[in-house]
Amino acid sequence: AQSVAQPEDQVNVAEGNPLTVKCTYSVSGNPYLFWYVQYPNRGLQFLLKYITGDNLVKGSYGFEAEFNKSQTSFHLKKPSALVSDSALYFCAVTRQTGTYKYIFGTGTRLKVLA
Amino acid sequence: DAGVTQSPTHLIKTRGQHVTLRCSPISGHKSVSWYQQVLGQGPQFIFQYYEKEERGRGNFPDRFSARQFPNYSSELNVNALLLGDSALYLCASSLGTSGSTDTQYFGPGTRLTVL
Repeated sequence: AQSVAQPEDQVNVAEGNPLTVKCTYSVSGNPYLFWYVQYPNRGLQFLLKYITGDNLVKGSYGFEAEFNKSQTSFHLKKPSALVSDSALYFCAVTRQTGTYKYIFGTGTRLKVLA
Repeated sequence: DAGVTQSPTHLIKTRGQHVTLRCSPISGHKSVSWYQQVLGQGPQFIFQYYEKEERGRGNFPDRFSARQFPNYSSELNVNALLLGDSALYLCASSLGTSGSTDTQYFGPGTRLTVL
């Protein structure tokens, strides 16, 4: 069965500092991994995805994520956080065959402090 | 370009009633997925449709049903509403041609409250 874990309910970081939001996954076969952001009373906005190839994926708004197969992780990063990055972040996984559904983590609330 | 649109934005129903939620995908997208997001949790997959055919179904009771129309819009129907059906219902559209690697683009959701 597929699953995603986001071990931190909340991450606090000072504006201008680097940020990391953690995600680990469990899936049989090759994983396809996604990051989404959700602002209050809004749907999910796509940030980036890993399908294959380079383990470092660059996405929207300066975010990037590193795929680590040995640690089954796909952590979201940004070199310099902005107050406007404060939101709810979701990691999702699907796999190569047999399903089209995304399995989402429980979300991590990022708070960037001015 | 218009994104995924959903209607209504908010809905209040009472237990036992039925509800229909609507979704229009991004132009050119042929696949629509439905998710339920309960407060404090990640979205849970309900259905995916592609070219009017059901391509996947999550662990939801038969009270939940959906369909996709020739113009690729979709409806989610929930019968015999329970208090636990209160949630944000999200629709996502994708091209549908790349299988699991397709990026899903989400609408703003419909907030359903069951009293």
